[in-house]
Amino acid sequence: AQSVTQLDSQVPVFEEAPVELRCNYSSSVSVYLFWYVQYPNQGLQLLLKYLSGSTLVKGINGFEAEFNKSQTSFHLRKPSVHISDTAEYFCAVNAGGTSYGKLTFGQGTILTVHP
Amino acid sequence: GAGVSQTPSNKVTEKGKYVELRCDPISGHTALYWYRQSLGQGPEFLIYFQGTGAADDSGLPNDRFFAVRPEGSVSTLKIQRTERGDSAVYLCASSELGGSFYEQFFGPGTRLTVL
Repeated sequence: AQSVTQLDSQVPVFEEAPVELRCNYSSSVSVYLFWYVQYPNQGLQLLLKYLSGSTLVKGINGFEAEFNKSQTSFHLRKPSVHISDTAEYFCAVNAGGTSYGKLTFGQGTILTVHP
Repeated sequence: GAGVSQTPSNKVTEKGKYVELRCDPISGHTALYWYRQSLGQGPEFLIYFQGTGAADDSGLPNDRFFAVRPEGSVSTLKIQRTERGDSAVYLCASSELGGSFYEQFFGPGTRLTVL
């Protein structure tokens, strides 16, 4: 079985500052990793995913994440945030194989960008 | 094109009642997932359909929960004898095919409140 831990429930930051949202996972098999964003009153939207290949993954809206197998981490970063990045962010893992793509999510991190 | 839609957006019911939640996936998507998101938590997997059949229902919490997808498109999640603990946002997602390589597109969810 796999699990996901998002280390910060809330992250406040000022506009144009850099941000890192932390995610650690545990799994007994190789995994695929995802970050989703949920804006208020909207559905989850995929930001980026790691399936294989380069460990640095770039996504939409200037976000990127780095897969670190030895530390079982997949932290999300953005060098300069905007007010519009205020949302809840979810890290998710899928074990592949016969799991059919079902996702195990972390508890979420609320990012609040202040002017 | 149209995204995943869910109806109703909000449902308030009394303990012990029966409810049905509907999901309209993106046209042509063969894979459909149901997740449940309790307050302050990340989404939890409930069930996965490939076509008309439930390929994985390991996330359904008990036999009060049941889901169908009779024609391989629209799906209905059915909850019998609702309990207060069933209160949550129920999310539906669809993807072109099952598996991690296909992005899951999420609907806005149905907020279920059991009084």
